[in-house]
Amino acid sequence: DAKTTQPPSMDCAEGRAANLPCNHSTISGNEYVYWYRQIHSQGPQYIIHGLKNNETNEMASLIITEDRKSSTLILPHATLRDTAVYYCIVRVANNAGNMLTFGGGTRLMVKP
Amino acid sequence: KAGVTQTPRYLIKTRGQQVTLSCSPISGHRSVSWYQQTPGQGLQFLFEYFSETQRNKGNFPGRFSGRQFSNSRSEMNVSTLELGDSALYLCASSLATGRETQYFGPGTRLLVL
Repeated sequence: DAKTTQPPSMDCAEGRAANLPCNHSTISGNEYVYWYRQIHSQGPQYIIHGLKNNETNEMASLIITEDRKSSTLILPHATLRDTAVYYCIVRVANNAGNMLTFGGGTRLMVKP
Repeated sequence: KAGVTQTPRYLIKTRGQQVTLSCSPISGHRSVSWYQQTPGQGLQFLFEYFSETQRNKGNFPGRFSGRQFSNSRSEMNVSTLELGDSALYLCASSLATGRETQYFGPGTRLLVL
């Protein structure tokens, strides 16, 4: 079972920031938070990941609370092309393998 | 650098047949994972191969199998196809261990009639 809880859907106005929440209250100390998104019928696209510090890249920012029980993915200026399902995943990053457990994700609809 | 490629992109089979899907990872990547995506079950992990060995396996019947070649390319096979096997099959690759980010291919859409 997925270890994360996300709202099933969200709307965002084009040009505004999209803030996607994720709850992972049972996260372990050695588990990372990963975000992927999937645009309709395409393969999931990696966005960003972090352990405990906030992270930023050219696509998004990831804010992780101090207790690490929740996080927020921020798309600073959402465009129509950001309409997708966003998945928040927690996983241990070690040498045991690469299994990702996906939950239901959040369907983000960016509207003009 | 080219991304993960999967062939074929679309496939139609009938019940009882078998099918083989192919995945070419990003150059230099040695780990290949397979996932099944259906509207009812979402994205589910099938198995992972690293250095031609299956490293992890999801909860799927033995009809689902895979292999990896010395050049890291991977194939998955589904025998005795059932209607419920209709899905998008996704392949993901990463450098080696479980510490690196996985990158997904576009998927193969399989329809079983």
